[in-house]
Amino acid sequence: EDKVVQSPLSLVVHEGDTVTLNCSYEVTNFRSLLWYKQEKKAPTFLFMLTSSGIEKKSGRLSSILDKKELFSILNITATQTGDSAVYLCAVEKTGNQFYFGTGTSLTVIP
Amino acid sequence: NAGVTQTPKFQVLKTGQSMTLQCAQDMNHNSMYWYRQDPGMGLRLIYYSASEGTTDKGEVPNGYNVSRLNKREFSLRLESAAPSQTSVYFCASSPSRAKQFFGPGTRLTVL
Repeated sequence: EDKVVQSPLSLVVHEGDTVTLNCSYEVTNFRSLLWYKQEKKAPTFLFMLTSSGIEKKSGRLSSILDKKELFSILNITATQTGDSAVYLCAVEKTGNQFYFGTGTSLTVIP
Repeated sequence: NAGVTQTPKFQVLKTGQSMTLQCAQDMNHNSMYWYRQDPGMGLRLIYYSASEGTTDKGEVPNGYNVSRLNKREFSLRLESAAPSQTSVYFCASSPSRAKQFFGPGTRLTVL
């Protein structure tokens, strides 16, 4: 059975801290892994990863994929209150199928 | 450029009633998707359409039907609503694969 597991389920940090969010997966016919940020409403796209070991960066956020060990991490450095959100990991299979994890809820305290 | 729009934003149904959730995108994307999001369950794919005229089942298709009316529009129909279909429904579109743009969601309650 295909599954995507995220950890931790929730996290509370202070502004300026660095956080690491984890996503492990067991999915047949893997194509890519994606990270989304979900605030009150719709998820917004952060990263798509297809190759092992290549870090994607966008400002204070970065992500990397390990296809051998079947996991990805999302790092956020120097966290700000605006980073408070649910972070979703999704895996794309061949055939346009997507499986999402349950998300990690991040709260950044001023 | 509105992106992905969904109607209605909120809906309350009684068990057994039917309704259609509407989704439209103005980005000329080929692929469109319907998800439901429940607490503790994450997003689950109901149906998707890789291109105009095609639709395929996702992870949780039972109790739903879809129509890809044209390239812009992808509707989700509940023929006989059940309380287990209480959820937040998201429509998404993507130009080819992977990177999806999500609509604002429809909060559906079935009593």
